[in-house]
Amino acid sequence: AQSVTQLDSHVSVSEGTPVLLRCNYSSSYSPSLFWYVQHPNKGLQLLLKYTSAATLVKGINGFEAEFKKSETSFHLTKPSAHMSDAAEYFCVVSDGGGADGLTFGKGTHLIIQP
Amino acid sequence: NAGVTQTPKFRILKIGQSMTLQCTQDMNHNYMYWYRQDPGMGLKLIYYSVGAGITDKGEVPNGYNVSRSTTEDFPLRLELAAPSQTSVYFCASSNPGQFYSPLHFGNGTRLTVT
Repeated sequence: AQSVTQLDSHVSVSEGTPVLLRCNYSSSYSPSLFWYVQHPNKGLQLLLKYTSAATLVKGINGFEAEFKKSETSFHLTKPSAHMSDAAEYFCVVSDGGGADGLTFGKGTHLIIQP
Repeated sequence: NAGVTQTPKFRILKIGQSMTLQCTQDMNHNYMYWYRQDPGMGLKLIYYSVGAGITDKGEVPNGYNVSRSTTEDFPLRLELAAPSQTSVYFCASSNPGQFYSPLHFGNGTRLTVT
């Protein structure tokens, strides 16, 4: 069985300051991990993915995430927040077992203060 | 390129009514999915399909039915709507030919059952 825990339901940062969204996972296999972003009234969009290559993964819009097996973590970071980053962020783990093998975290709502 | 298109965007149903949520994709993806999103709960898989004529239950299939007669279309049917089916529904597709292919989401259908 696999699971994913997003440690914060809401994160608030000021524009121009760093962003950290935390995600821990558990998996019986070597997992693949994803971060998706959801803007209001939109579907989810892939930010980045880890698939057992480099442990530091760069995504779109300046986001990156580091896979740390020893800590079972896959935290999402960005050096400088922009107002357009305000959205819901989902960490997702895949056991690679098939089309139904994805488990979604409950989401972190990122608020950007001007 | 339209991607994944869902209709309608919003719908209000009375208890016991039925309706079909439409989903179509123009990316020639074999895999298609229906998820529901409830506040603070992430996404739950309702049904999925790995190709035309093949469908399988996900985590929360009760009260729903699907069909997949073509590669492009994957409608979700609600029979005897109940208040517990009030949710936002997302259709998604993916290409199994790509290693750990990301999901491509539609913009969702917001359904209220009263």
